[in-house]
Amino acid sequence: QQPVQSPQAVILREGEDAVINCSSSKALYSVHWYRQKHGEAPVFLMILLKGGEQKGHEKISASFNEKKQQSSLYLTASQLSYSGTYFCGTEPQGAQKLVFGQGTRLTINP
Amino acid sequence: NAGVTQTPKFRILKIGQSMTLQCAQDMNHNYMYWYRQDPGMGLKLIYYSVGAGITDKGEVPNGYNVSRSTTEDFPLRLELAAPSQTSVYFCASSTPRSSNQPQHFGDGTRLSIL
Repeated sequence: QQPVQSPQAVILREGEDAVINCSSSKALYSVHWYRQKHGEAPVFLMILLKGGEQKGHEKISASFNEKKQQSSLYLTASQLSYSGTYFCGTEPQGAQKLVFGQGTRLTINP
Repeated sequence: NAGVTQTPKFRILKIGQSMTLQCAQDMNHNYMYWYRQDPGMGLKLIYYSVGAGITDKGEVPNGYNVSRSTTEDFPLRLELAAPSQTSVYFCASSTPRSSNQPQHFGDGTRLSIL
């Protein structure tokens, strides 16, 4: 079953922070986060494994709450280059594939 | 390294025609995937393969077929093209899940059925 992302869209000014959430109804082994710019392929950001870890990538970090089967992506002091659509891909336990959310469109204005 | 290479990049088909979307990877990845992405939507898994000779259906397999005769190649076949198959198709590859590595995506094939 497809994970649910929220919000569906967000508009920020450069330098503001954003949080994107991803919820699944299934027990998860991992959560993947990707960013896609218009007309391009998705680009990998990070993987969160069960165990509730938090990872970071420059000013972008993420957490995974195993008990709630939820992951959150945090974008700090957003830059114009952060604009795009963010997708979470969830890997249910026992599966060998990802199920992607519907995406969150992030727009960063100067 | 070329990574994941998809051909063609663009294609227009008439209803009822057939075609094969090609996907090749040079990273020696066992796992390969085909997704479709409709405008403004997320990625839907069509078929995937965990190794040569092994394929399995994803969420939206109807109207498509795949084969995996080598580790490098994973072609996607559309037998009778329908307007509902107008979409962007992405191929991806990865190492087995146990290594916790990401999926690497090709640049996509933009397909229109008229």
